[in-house]
Amino acid sequence: EAGVAQSPRYKIIEKRQSVAFWCNPISGHATLYWYQQILGQGPKLLIQFQNNGVVDDSQLPKDRFSAERLKGVDSTLKIQPAKLEDSAVYLCASTRLPARLGWETQYFGPGTRLLVL
Amino acid sequence: AQSVTQLGSHVSVSEGALVLLRCNYSSSVPPYLFWYVQYPNQGLQLLLKYTSAATLVKGINGFEAEFKKSETSFHLTKPSAHMSDAAEYFCAVSPNSGGSNYKLTFGKGTLLTVNP
Repeated sequence: EAGVAQSPRYKIIEKRQSVAFWCNPISGHATLYWYQQILGQGPKLLIQFQNNGVVDDSQLPKDRFSAERLKGVDSTLKIQPAKLEDSAVYLCASTRLPARLGWETQYFGPGTRLLVL
Repeated sequence: AQSVTQLGSHVSVSEGALVLLRCNYSSSVPPYLFWYVQYPNQGLQLLLKYTSAATLVKGINGFEAEFKKSETSFHLTKPSAHMSDAAEYFCAVSPNSGGSNYKLTFGKGTLLTVNP
């Protein structure tokens, strides 16, 4: 079974530029998560999707970050415009079932490492 | 709000020595607790989890952790370190009910180095 795929793996941009990250979860997984992992910190949940609907985006900086999951499969996270403090690893994870049906292991992708200069 | 504190951002052990990574949690109700491992340039992988069953939890790669409610702790141990255990380890907590979507809150991580 293929794991969670993310691209690109690395991205360097200048502040005020835009950037987009892509995630393809494990086939058939209903729930998709985006996390931000700043150097020296643990991952922080940005947004959670169940199929193509948003379940939790309480920690997403909505003035500059946006995310979508069209058709309930792959997802895109965008930053526009980027700030220096957005430098981090952006992790995508997925679970097979919706969270309301019970706890399940989250499977993580390798992440996209973003550097904002 | 729930939180976890990992004591020690960096732990160094010799190959064959005991590994002990410390995690304390803060929660008003009994939580679910987890340990994840992250190898360089890879995503996180679940090592083990406590979800209100046995307090001593065994995970992959010979790791185990014990939930101690009186000490609000969930320390990770392995009797004998191997070079391949070198990685960053994250403790995480979530509510124990689906109403919160089992939202994970991670600690800051502990980098484990294993010396030959």
